[in-house]
Amino acid sequence: DAGVIQSPRHEVTEMGQEVTLRCKPISGHDYLFWYRQTMMRGLELLIYFNNNVPIDDSGMPEDRFSAKMPNASFSTLKIQPSEPRDSAVYFCASSLTAAEAFFGQGTRLTVV
Amino acid sequence: AQSVTQLGSHVSVSEGALVLLRCNYSSSVPPYLFWYVQYPNQGLQLLLKYTSAATLVKGINGFEAEFKKSETSFHLTKPSAHMSDAAEYFCAIMNTGFQKLVFGTGTRLLVSP
Repeated sequence: DAGVIQSPRHEVTEMGQEVTLRCKPISGHDYLFWYRQTMMRGLELLIYFNNNVPIDDSGMPEDRFSAKMPNASFSTLKIQPSEPRDSAVYFCASSLTAAEAFFGQGTRLTVV
Repeated sequence: AQSVTQLGSHVSVSEGALVLLRCNYSSSVPPYLFWYVQYPNQGLQLLLKYTSAATLVKGINGFEAEFKKSETSFHLTKPSAHMSDAAEYFCAIMNTGFQKLVFGTGTRLLVSP
């Protein structure tokens, strides 16, 4: 398996623009997580899905953020409109029940 | 709520020296605990995990950790540091029943020749 695949690896966008981050989890994993990593706040869980259903989105910072998982092999995290303070590395991870999470290589987002 | 605290944002060792990275947890139920490593510009990679079996857990790259309930600790050790061990290390606790990981703030390990 190729592991968790995230795209793009880097994204630079202007404030106010819509940004969409993509994730393909490992086949067969039934949990999918979106994390954000910044120097100030460390690793924060934004939202996670189980069997494509959002279970806990309490970490989503505000309504500008939304996430979807239309099927077991694809998820998106959208920011609309984007702001400079959204600049961070966004990680997607997947796991089986009670097993370790496998992380993608992340998307480095810069909002200017 | 379950949480972990990592003591020391930076740890410096010489090559060949003992590595000790500290992690204390808080949990009202038996926890699952993890150590992850992050190399520059990479995602996180699992080093080892404790899931209520043996209290001494061996992981990859010569690392191990011991679960001590009396001390609520899960410190990460390696007998002899290698230059390639330089990275950031994260302790994490799993919210049992909810399947989400909560991470500590991370410890950056610096290894000097």
